[in-house]
Amino acid sequence: IAGITQAPTSQILAAGRRMTLRCTQDMRHNAMYWYRQDLGLGLRLIHYSNTAGTTGKGEVPDGYSVSRANTDDFPLTLASAVPSQTSVYFCASSGLAGQGELFFGEGSRLTVL
Amino acid sequence: QKEVEQDPGPLSVPEGAIVSLNCTYSNSAFQYFMWYRQYSRKGPELLMYTYSSGNKEDGRFTAQVDKSSKYISLFIRDSQPSDSATYLCAQSMGNQFYFGTGTSLTVIP
Repeated sequence: IAGITQAPTSQILAAGRRMTLRCTQDMRHNAMYWYRQDLGLGLRLIHYSNTAGTTGKGEVPDGYSVSRANTDDFPLTLASAVPSQTSVYFCASSGLAGQGELFFGEGSRLTVL
Repeated sequence: QKEVEQDPGPLSVPEGAIVSLNCTYSNSAFQYFMWYRQYSRKGPELLMYTYSSGNKEDGRFTAQVDKSSKYISLFIRDSQPSDSATYLCAQSMGNQFYFGTGTSLTVIP
């Protein structure tokens, strides 16, 4: 089934550790996004990529980095995790940046202790 | 001020009721308007999508956009327990999507 695959589904991490959340899509979409979802705050954009080779900062980029080496993969890295990064992370993609349907993965639930 | 404001609820209705979910937005340049449904511990999935203003109907769901008042609504007719979820309004402009915080809906059998 075509769509977005995120890994891991769930992870508990010690503060200060490095963590990479993986995201792969098989729809050949140009644009990809990383959001975090927190109770009462909704979905907040962390980083985005309009096309392979380019990335941009969203609303809450601090402490996170991304890369877009090819169309399909868009990993999110926490260089040194902190407890405030405990959240549910969603990867998403769309065929055209800012237009059409935004497809979401099932999420990665991260707990930083 | 957030780009999109949404009443968080929670909203609890009996089965068969008509549900009205609402959002307001601040930027008149928004062109694409969407409603997403999110079940517990799942990713959001697109429910309705409209471009510019007006109404769009799909089965029991009707999306309404009023650009003059910057107000969007989702109506659910004959609500079912399977409609119990969080509903997120979203708008897009340029290369960005903007989401409301979501309204939690429970339909009681």
